[in-house]
Amino acid sequence: DAGVIQSPRHEVTEMGQEVTLRCKPISGHDYLFWYRQTMMRGLELLIYFNNNVPIDDSGMPEDRFSAKMPNASFSTLKIQPSEPRDSAVYFCASRDSGTPGDTQYFGPGTRLTVL
Amino acid sequence: GEDVEQSLFLSVREGDSSVINCTYTDSSSTYLYWYKQEPGAGLQLLTYIFSNMDMKQDQRLTVLLNKKDKHLSLRIADTQTGDSAIYFCAESIEDSSYKLIFGSGTRLLVRP
Repeated sequence: DAGVIQSPRHEVTEMGQEVTLRCKPISGHDYLFWYRQTMMRGLELLIYFNNNVPIDDSGMPEDRFSAKMPNASFSTLKIQPSEPRDSAVYFCASRDSGTPGDTQYFGPGTRLTVL
Repeated sequence: GEDVEQSLFLSVREGDSSVINCTYTDSSSTYLYWYKQEPGAGLQLLTYIFSNMDMKQDQRLTVLLNKKDKHLSLRIADTQTGDSAIYFCAESIEDSSYKLIFGSGTRLLVRP
């Protein structure tokens, strides 16, 4: 299995621009999570989906952030408009609730820089 | 509330054992995990332990869980330079749909 795939790996944009981050979970996994990692706040859960349905978006910082999962193999995290304080590494993770350990498997992350 | 704490930094000599410690607050944790993050990479699962176990061994890794004290540790035997990374402790909480709560990470530096 290819693991969780994220694109792009690096994104540099200017303040005010729209940014879209993409994630392909591991095939057969029924949960998908979006995290943000910064030096100041560590790893924060932004939102997670179960069977493509958003379950908990309480970690989404503002209305500028939105996430979708149109099907079991694809999810997007969009920031519009972006701000410099959104600069961080964004991770996607997926999980198969039917396997022991309920382990989340992480993608390589997207490093976002907003100038 | 839920909180996971780790020391920030550990330095060991190559070949020695490393012990990374973690404390957590939520007694309803179902599983506890150790993840490894190398520079510029994502989080790699190292191992996990079910909350009703007190020890798990996997090759050079030994996880000890003291549920009474809410203390988790990861011991790496014969530490190698390739083990230098940030190690994250995390707990999953059953009543939160297995949402993971992460510690701040311990940076392990292995000196030759």
